[in-house]
Amino acid sequence: GAGVSQTPSNKVTEKGKYVELRCDPISGHTALYWYRQSLGQGPEFLIYFQGTGAADDSGLPNDRFFAVRPEGSVSTLKIQRTERGDSAVYLCASSLGTRETDTQYFGPGTRLTVL
Amino acid sequence: AQSVTQPDIHITVSEGASLELRCNYSYGATPYLFWYVQSPGQGLQLLLKYFSGDTLVQGIKGFEAEFKRSQSSFNLRKPSVHWSDAAEYFCAVGATGGLKTIFGAGTRLFVKA
Repeated sequence: GAGVSQTPSNKVTEKGKYVELRCDPISGHTALYWYRQSLGQGPEFLIYFQGTGAADDSGLPNDRFFAVRPEGSVSTLKIQRTERGDSAVYLCASSLGTRETDTQYFGPGTRLTVL
Repeated sequence: AQSVTQPDIHITVSEGASLELRCNYSYGATPYLFWYVQSPGQGLQLLLKYFSGDTLVQGIKGFEAEFKRSQSSFNLRKPSVHWSDAAEYFCAVGATGGLKTIFGAGTRLFVKA
């Protein structure tokens, strides 16, 4: 079956612009996660959803970052007034259930470059 | 707060040699522990995970890891490395009561012929 997909695969934008990154989880997966991976670093937790609600958004760096999952499936990560420091690969993952033991399946990521 | 340390930024081993990648974690209770692999151009893939029970965990691709509470470690091992194992390896820790996962900075494995 299809895995987690993310669009676009690459996004180049200018400083100050608004961007949206999309994640399509595996069908039927309840939990959805966003991570940010900067060059040479491990993934950094941003937020996760259980269904439609954000269960933990403690990793969002500031109020320029916002994520939604209105129907409990597709999620969009929104970044306002982008800064050069936002350049990174944004990873999305999903898991079947909401237990800590459920395996997270990762998408290929969206590489965001802010000029 | 949870944290994960991978002391080795990169490691080079010869094909056929054994491998051990180190991971130390910080967490007050018994953590959930994971090892992931990331190959160039591919997404993160779970190798193995530990939640409770037997402290030696078997994973995919011939990898295993051992949880040592006294040392706060969860080292990854493989008895014989193949060239296709060259990749970035990440150790991660999860907390009880939530799904937040904290990753280490990773160890890049190079395999020489």
